[in-house]
Amino acid sequence: GDSVTQMEGPVTLSEEAFLTINCTYTATGYPSLFWYVQYPGEGLQLLLKATKADDKGSNKGFEATYRKETTSFHLEKGSVQVSDSAVYFCALISGFQKLVFGTGTRLLVSP
Amino acid sequence: GAGVSQSPSNKVTEKGKDVELRCDPISGHTALYWYRQSLGQGLEFLIYFQGNSAPDKSGLPSDRFSAERTGGSVSTLTIQRTQQEDSAVYLCASSSNRQGLNQPQHFGDGTRLSIL
Repeated sequence: GDSVTQMEGPVTLSEEAFLTINCTYTATGYPSLFWYVQYPGEGLQLLLKATKADDKGSNKGFEATYRKETTSFHLEKGSVQVSDSAVYFCALISGFQKLVFGTGTRLLVSP
Repeated sequence: GAGVSQSPSNKVTEKGKDVELRCDPISGHTALYWYRQSLGQGLEFLIYFQGNSAPDKSGLPSDRFSAERTGGSVSTLTIQRTQQEDSAVYLCASSSNRQGLNQPQHFGDGTRLSIL
């Protein structure tokens, strides 16, 4: 079945550091890919999406590129802030319309 | 409303009782989903509605769990004879499929269910 694998956390960075959170997927067909973010005490929010190969999703300084050849959708940000501290979930939807999530990666950014 | 609304936000109940969780999706969204978030299992899909019908119930963990959606809008998730392992945050999401399938899903804040 479809699955998403993302790097285990926590990822601990200093403010202004470069962030990469790795995500790879297994899916039948041509999935759409998403990153969701969950800030402390809040619900899941859509961060960015990509619907086909080579698409780049971007939002709030975060980017991820849909790489079909490596089945990856790594999340990057050039300069993190303390306010980016949250749990990040990589996810996909394929033909079955349900989101399949990775286990989540906690990001901790210190001043 | 502007977003997906879930109620109650917190529910504490005794083992063996029945509970009902409510979800009011974004206006005009035809697709509605229920997920469960728990420490041991991460985020799990429960059920998907398109309009009032549920083409995918594959994630419901047992026959104690049921869900319905009426009028193509509000949905209720019912858990009968609750068990301690049902303790989790229950999340509802909705999406518009007017631009095709595989559209982003927008989540409510969830109902935190605690079974004593």
